[in-house]
Parts: sequence; C-alpha cells; structure tokens
Amino acid sequence: QVQLVQSGAEVKKPGASVKVSCKASGYNFIGYYLYWLRHAPGQGLEWMGMINPRGGATSYAQKFQGRVTMTRDTSTATVYMELSSLRSEDTAVYYCARGYGITLFGVPSPYYMDVWGKGTTVTVSS
Amino acid sequence: DVVMTQTPLSLSVTPGQPASISCKSSQSLLHSDGKTFLHWYLQKPGHSPQLLIYEVSNRFSGVPDRFSGSGSGTDFTLKISRVEAEDVGIYYCMQSIQFVTFGGGTKVEIK
Repeated sequence: QVQLVQSGAEVKKPGASVKVSCKASGYNFIGYYLYWLRHAPGQGLEWMGMINPRGGATSYAQKFQGRVTMTRDTSTATVYMELSSLRSEDTAVYYCARGYGITLFGVPSPYYMDVWGKGTTVTVSS
Repeated sequence: DVVMTQTPLSLSVTPGQPASISCKSSQSLLHSDGKTFLHWYLQKPGHSPQLLIYEVSNRFSGVPDRFSGSGSGTDFTLKISRVEAEDVGIYYCMQSIQFVTFGGGTKVEIK
C-alpha cells in the first residue's frame, strides 16, 4: 500500500537548520508530486511547497522562500525538506504528502494531496 | 493570498443526524481549465489529515457516500448525511487555485 514514512522528532536551537526526510513506497515515486506542509500549535495548516520527483523542480510558498530547500533522491524514493534559520515560531508538526499537480514552464503548481505521512515534530527552543 | 473562511467553528451532532460545513473563498476557485480547485480534508484525533473530497464534489477512494460536497465559484459546502461516531475530528477546506491555503477548520464532535 502507499506509504510515506517520515523521520523522527527533532529538537533544534534558534538559528539552526533541520532536515526532515520522507520515504515513499507502494507506488511509482516519480509519478506523483510531493508536498510539505506544517501545523504549528494554535495555528492553521500551512503549505510550505512542493517538489516534482521526476525532475526535481520545486515551488515554495513565498513565506519560506530563501529558508526552505526541498530535494529528492530517486534511488531511495525519498524527499527531503530543509528549513534554515529556525525560530521558535517554526515549532510545528511537519507533514509530507503525496499528490497531484501541474508543471507549467518548469514550475510545479499544486492541485491536491491524497496520502499524508504521519508527521514529524520539530521543536525550536533555546 | 486566497483567504478561506469556514463556518461554523464547531459542531456538536447527534449520531444519525446530518451536519453541514460552509467554506467561502476570497476569490473564485474556478480554473481556466474548467476545474474548481476546492478540496476537503478530515483530521481525526491523533492522525494526519486525510482526503475526503477533491474538486468540490468527488469522493476520494474509500470515503463513505454519506459525505458529499457541493458549491461553485467562492461558496462551498460539505455535508454529512448521517453523522457517525468515527466522523469526529477537524474538517478543513483547502484551495489550490493560487498556491495552497486552508480554512481555519471546523471541529465536529458527537453529542
């Protein structure tokens, strides 16, 4: 069955970076887009961006431009999300999700997500 | 940003009774290709969000037919014809016409 297995919880200090992984199985890895979202305490669900595993093209939410990097390794069917310059407001559960999208002029655009990982808790605290 | 506004914030429903959740967007979600980029998710307690409905009214695989979605343009509704105990959780609408934004969520509990 389709599974997205995320890496374990992280505790980081302000200013540090965190890299979360998401290993896909049970489907054709390059046939679907991978999304990253987060849910901070007391806040709403927030889309961070997406990656097309086929060529590695990415699209990031404006809020995270310059701080987030999404990559993929097709040999292991794994995507990664790295967030830098962490601050306390980045404390959240981070989700990867498989989904559909459209790539226009080399840039992925979102559509919807159909399978989510279980989430990775990232805590930023001094 | 496209702002998604859900009402009500919470619902307490007797099992077997219907429930309805409204979602309004700050701009039309109708794409030039004719599709409408409005989707519904349910986050059950202790679980990740799960897809219920995509493109306004299409039930995702395995979703019971007591769930239905309707609407167009900027006004959308999710209906549960007969609420069951397993339907508790937070329901979110999501738009993807312009990046992705979610509604604030509607918490459904059982009376």
